[in-house]
Amino acid sequence: GENVEQHPSTLSVQEGDSAVIKCTYSDSASNYFPWYKQELGKGPQLIIDIRSNVGEKKDQRIAVTLNKTAKHFSLHITETQPEDSAVYFCAASMGNNNDMRFGAGTRLTVKP
Amino acid sequence: DGGITQSPKYLFRKEGQNVTLSCEQNLNHDAMYWYRQDPGQGLRLIYYSQIVNDFQKGDIAEGYSVSREKKESFPLTVTSAQKNPTAFYLCASTSGSWGEQFFGPGTRLTVL
Repeated sequence: GENVEQHPSTLSVQEGDSAVIKCTYSDSASNYFPWYKQELGKGPQLIIDIRSNVGEKKDQRIAVTLNKTAKHFSLHITETQPEDSAVYFCAASMGNNNDMRFGAGTRLTVKP
Repeated sequence: DGGITQSPKYLFRKEGQNVTLSCEQNLNHDAMYWYRQDPGQGLRLIYYSQIVNDFQKGDIAEGYSVSREKKESFPLTVTSAQKNPTAFYLCASTSGSWGEQFFGPGTRLTVL
C-alpha cells in the first residue's frame, strides 16, 4: 500500500522567512496530494492540494510542487507569519479518501 | 453555520470500559470517516461510511465499532478490546468518496 514520509518533523523559522516541507510517496498510482494545517486543539484544515496532472500550484503565500518521476511533493510558505505556526500534514491518495495516507506531520514554529 | 461537531472534547475511561465518541455533521455530506492521531504519526483510518447503513473497516479497525443510522451521525465506540485506546480521535466528512475532507475538532480519549 501507499506509504508517505514527511520531513522535517519540526521546523523553526524567523518571521518573514520561507518554510519548505517535503514529502515522498511510494505508490506511483497516487494522483491526489492535499496539505492540511492543524492548529492546536483543532482538526486539520485543507490549505492547498494538487493533482498529478499539474506540476505546481500557488495560492497567495502558499505553493505546492509535485515531481511525479521522483515521487515527491513539497509545500512552500513564503513571508511566514506567526499565525502560520501549526502542524502541517501531507497526504497522498489514488483519488479516493478511503485510501488516503498521511505523513507524520511537521510542527512549524514562526518566531516573531 | 455548517460544520462537524465532536463531543466530548476530552474523555476519560477506565480500562475495560466501552466508550462512544459522537460525530455530527450538518453539511449534508454522504461520506464520513474516523481517524486516530497519535503523537509523531499521521492520521490513520479506523472506519468509513459512504452511505447510510453501510460502513467499511479502515486500516486499524480492531477494537472499534461504528454505526451509521442517520446521514448526519457517525458515532465511534472504542471497546475494551482496543489495546491502546489513548489517542486523539478525528471525525471527517466529504460530499463524495473523494475531495476535500472537513474535519471536526477532535476528541482526546485517555484511558486511566
